[in-house]
Amino acid sequence: DAEITQSPRHKITETGRQVTLACHQTWNHNNMFWYRQDLGHGLRLIHYSYGVQDTNKGEVSDGYSVSRSNTEDLPLTLESAASSQTSVYFCATRGAPGGELFFGEGSRLTVL
Amino acid sequence: QKEVEQDPGPLSVPEGAIVSLNCTYSNSAFQYFMWYRQYSRKGPELLMYTYSSGNKEDGRFTAQVDKSSKYISLFIRDSQPSDSATYLCAMSSGNTPLVFGKGTRLSVIA
Repeated sequence: DAEITQSPRHKITETGRQVTLACHQTWNHNNMFWYRQDLGHGLRLIHYSYGVQDTNKGEVSDGYSVSRSNTEDLPLTLESAASSQTSVYFCATRGAPGGELFFGEGSRLTVL
Repeated sequence: QKEVEQDPGPLSVPEGAIVSLNCTYSNSAFQYFMWYRQYSRKGPELLMYTYSSGNKEDGRFTAQVDKSSKYISLFIRDSQPSDSATYLCAMSSGNTPLVFGKGTRLSVIA
């Protein structure tokens, strides 16, 4: 079965360190998204990509970057982690405009 | 004003009750309306999908979209303890990213 895999599932890091969260999908979907989920804020869009070499900023992109070198992967990088980036991060894919989003299991990041 | 407003609850009901969850939105271009269910420490999963206006029923779940009022609803009949989860409304227009409500946390008490 096709799936979407996030790693690591849990990570603790220190302020100022660079962190990369991996997202790998076997759906062969062009559309991929990164959201963060915080109490009181729901799911907020960080970055998204509609295909190889395409990346776009979302609502809360400051301090984050993504790159899309192939269809399967969209890694999310925190260039210099801050305590405000402590959150649960979800990667998602979509096969068609207006279609269903398929989510990974989430990556829980704590920045001390 | 956020594009999508959803009362975060929490909402607690007895088993067997009818549950009504709602969202309002401001962007009249939204055409695709969805409800996701999220269990604790899991990713959201699609529960109901509606294109444009109208009703859709699937078992104990009914989704309604009223585009004239910019209002969507999810009804759960005969609620069960297994329905205890966070319910998120989401919507988009064409190929734009989904915009989510904050989610409503529901507890169904046996």
